[in-house]
Amino acid sequence: ILNVEQSPQSLHVQEGDSTNFTCSFPSSNFYALHWYRWETAKSPEALFVMTLNGDEKKKGRISATLNTKEGYSYLYIKGSQPEDSATYLCASLSGSARQLTFGSGTQLTVLP
Amino acid sequence: EAQVTQNPRYLITVTGKKLTVTCSQNMNHEYMSWYRQDPGLGLRQIYYSMNVEVTDKGDVPEGYKVSRKEKRNFPLILESPSPNQTSLYFCASSSTVAGEQFFGPGTRLTVL
Repeated sequence: ILNVEQSPQSLHVQEGDSTNFTCSFPSSNFYALHWYRWETAKSPEALFVMTLNGDEKKKGRISATLNTKEGYSYLYIKGSQPEDSATYLCASLSGSARQLTFGSGTQLTVLP
Repeated sequence: EAQVTQNPRYLITVTGKKLTVTCSQNMNHEYMSWYRQDPGLGLRQIYYSMNVEVTDKGDVPEGYKVSRKEKRNFPLILESPSPNQTSLYFCASSSTVAGEQFFGPGTRLTVL
């Protein structure tokens, strides 16, 4: 089983603050890294799928970077809004595996 | 509308009473999987299927069965449920194993 770790486990920020969280994963035999946003009482929804070292992806105020050599990805949220409050999950897929392994998530609360 | 559906959404049952949770997708996706979510543990994969009649164990398959007789359906079967299977279950599908996962609405199962 791959070990995918996310930090911090939770954080609270003020509206307007920018924030970021980390996903670390085994770098050997890397194939893909996913980010999902999971709001309370809803289902996880995909934010990004990243495969190449140095990849940077952006969707509105949210962006992500990928370093496959050292095995980490950062998710950034610029100017956090209360509606950004959610759990953010990352998941890693290795080349030999046929399954995504999820981290336990970072729970973000944006205070108005 | 492209979607993954699960039924039932909520279920309370007793130990040993066989149950099936259905999952259906209308996106012609090859890859389908089942996850369970428990507090502090993130999403853990139970079973996955690469295509019709091709299924394989995920990280926590004990006590579960699946089948994939048709591309669109991937039911999860608990032959003899036990209290430690009380959890939130998600079905997901994607076009490929590395593609973004589309999640169903979730099934909250309680086994007494």
